[in-house]
Amino acid sequence: GDSVTQMEGPVTLSEEAFLTINCTYTATGYPSLFWYVQYPGEGLQLLLKATKADDKGSNKGFEATYRKETTSFHLEKGSVQVSDSAVYFCALPGGRGGSYIPTFGRGTSLIVHP
Amino acid sequence: EAQVTQNPRYLITVTGKKLTVTCSQNMNHEYMSWYRQDPGLGLRQIYYSMNVEVTDKGDVPEGYKVSRKEKRNFPLILESPSPNQTSLYFCASGPGGSPLHFGNGTRLTVT
Repeated sequence: GDSVTQMEGPVTLSEEAFLTINCTYTATGYPSLFWYVQYPGEGLQLLLKATKADDKGSNKGFEATYRKETTSFHLEKGSVQVSDSAVYFCALPGGRGGSYIPTFGRGTSLIVHP
Repeated sequence: EAQVTQNPRYLITVTGKKLTVTCSQNMNHEYMSWYRQDPGLGLRQIYYSMNVEVTDKGDVPEGYKVSRKEKRNFPLILESPSPNQTSLYFCASGPGGSPLHFGNGTRLTVT
């Protein structure tokens, strides 16, 4: 079945550092790929998405490129801010058992210090 | 405004006392789901619903019930809560194959 593997956290960075959070997936075919962000005390919200191979999703300075050959969708940001401190989830939109059941990675906590 | 509304945000109860967490969405989504989030375990799906009167078990359904009598509402019912159900719960909805919209969560403590 479908699966998503994310790097374990927490990831601790100083402000303005470069961020990479690794995500690899196993899925049938070439599904869309998503990154969600969960700020403290809130629910998950979509951060960015890519719908086909080689697509680059971007939002709020974050980017991720859909790499079919390595089945990866790593999240990057060139200069993180304290306000980026959150938990980040990589996700597939569906496919478990042939129905629309999203698959989430375990989440990676990011802590950014001033 | 498109949103998923969960209530209550915080709930403290005692073992065995039945409770219901409500979830409502205003986007006419067919798919709705409940998750629990625990440290180190990520999001785990409890139940989901593909449409009215269609519900199915997720990964951790034991001790929970749901119903989907109307498209917009998907309540989570704990008939006899136990301390191991202390967790952060999220309701989500979405059109098929597209990103989900999440509620802001319900933090449940069972003593």
